[in-house]
Amino acid sequence: EVQLVQSGAEVKKPGESLKISCKGSGYSFTSYWIGWVRQMPGKGLEWMGIIYPGDSDTRYSPSFQGQVTISADKSISTAYLQWSSLKASDTAMYYCVRHAGYSYGCFDYWGQGTLVTVSS
Amino acid sequence: DIQMTQSPSTLSASVGDRVTITCRASQSISSWLAWYQQKPGKAPKLLIYKASSLESGVPSRFSGSGSGTEFTLTISSLQPDDFATYYCQQYNSYGTTWTFGQGTKVEIK
Repeated sequence: EVQLVQSGAEVKKPGESLKISCKGSGYSFTSYWIGWVRQMPGKGLEWMGIIYPGDSDTRYSPSFQGQVTISADKSISTAYLQWSSLKASDTAMYYCVRHAGYSYGCFDYWGQGTLVTVSS
Repeated sequence: DIQMTQSPSTLSASVGDRVTITCRASQSISSWLAWYQQKPGKAPKLLIYKASSLESGVPSRFSGSGSGTEFTLTISSLQPDDFATYYCQQYNSYGTTWTFGQGTKVEIK
């Protein structure tokens, strides 16, 4: 069974750093792109970026380029999303997603989400 | 960047109704369009991919159509479990980018 299991909720202060994780299981982790999607409170879905764990090729949405860093450790089948200096506006639910492949174009599996709250 | 516009933003319907949601792309995306369902407090769930292909396990009352710039998601007979928010999503292989529509909330009438 394919699963993406994300790390738990975080409460941080503005200016702090953070790294959240997404562990894949039940499939070949290095063969599928893993992306991140933001959902701000009461709002819609925004694609942030994506990484191919096989060779760490990474692409970012222009809206998030330079704001976050996406990485992966294929030895433990885990992808990461990190911030070096959080802002209150980073408060959101973050989902990791598996890209189904170029023949499909969609995200077929989603993690349960990690709620990040940034408040002084 | 390709923009995705869904309509309506909110839809009030009754159990048994036929419901149609529209998604328009700012430029042609061929059939690279997916639909997701999200319930409160839950992660989105894939319903339709490549505009009209039904994801495994999704009830057949859901269907998708369209190509180019205009797409529709149809629920043939709305069930109590279908009250949720629906998002379309495009995939642009050239730029390797994905964009979601703003969502359509299906409410109980």
